[in-house]
Amino acid sequence: GENVEQHPSTLSVQEGDSAVIKCTYSDSASNYFPWYKQELGKGPQLIIDIRSNVGEKKDQRIAVTLNKTAKHFSLHITETQPEDSAVYFCAASNGGGSYIPTFGRGTSLIVHP
Amino acid sequence: DTEVTQTPKHLVMGMTNKKSLKCEQHMGHRAMYWYKQKAKKPPELMFVYSYEKLSINESVPSRFSPECPNSSLLNLHLHALQPEDSALYLCASSLGNPQGGEKLFFGSGTQLSVL
Repeated sequence: GENVEQHPSTLSVQEGDSAVIKCTYSDSASNYFPWYKQELGKGPQLIIDIRSNVGEKKDQRIAVTLNKTAKHFSLHITETQPEDSAVYFCAASNGGGSYIPTFGRGTSLIVHP
Repeated sequence: DTEVTQTPKHLVMGMTNKKSLKCEQHMGHRAMYWYKQKAKKPPELMFVYSYEKLSINESVPSRFSPECPNSSLLNLHLHALQPEDSALYLCASSLGNPQGGEKLFFGSGTQLSVL
């Protein structure tokens, strides 16, 4: 089955800095890579996703990059703000029989004002 | 409406109680999920319903019993739980068309404490 590794487990930055979270996956058939943000007391919410036919995707201050050859993908947050503080989960899945996403272990991002 | 609504938000129950968790979505999604999440851990899949049929049961103990009365509703019936079952229980939904990957929409969860 799929295995997703996520690093770091904790990331502490100053407001305005950039933050990068990295994930690797094992199943070369995986073709869909979502990122979820979970704030305290809430369920995870999808913030950005990327499919295997795309190398990079941006949405305002958030971007995701995918390297299919190396089987890794990353979340980049620029100009971080205190409200970006949350736990971020990467995930990987493929169409067909294994469409259920496999989650990484999560990264706790702390943005200091 | 892009919300998944879960009730109750908090639940405390004894080991001999029977209770139910409820989940509702009105996005026309045909796949619905139950996840269990312990503190500082990723969500752990329990059950998946696809087009109102149970399609995945991740070897969950029988003290958890899912039910999908219709395409908008999902219940999780709880009976004779153990203290280690205390966790955040999350409901999620998705379109139900898995080709190309599914975006999951999560509810805010039910924080369950078993005494």
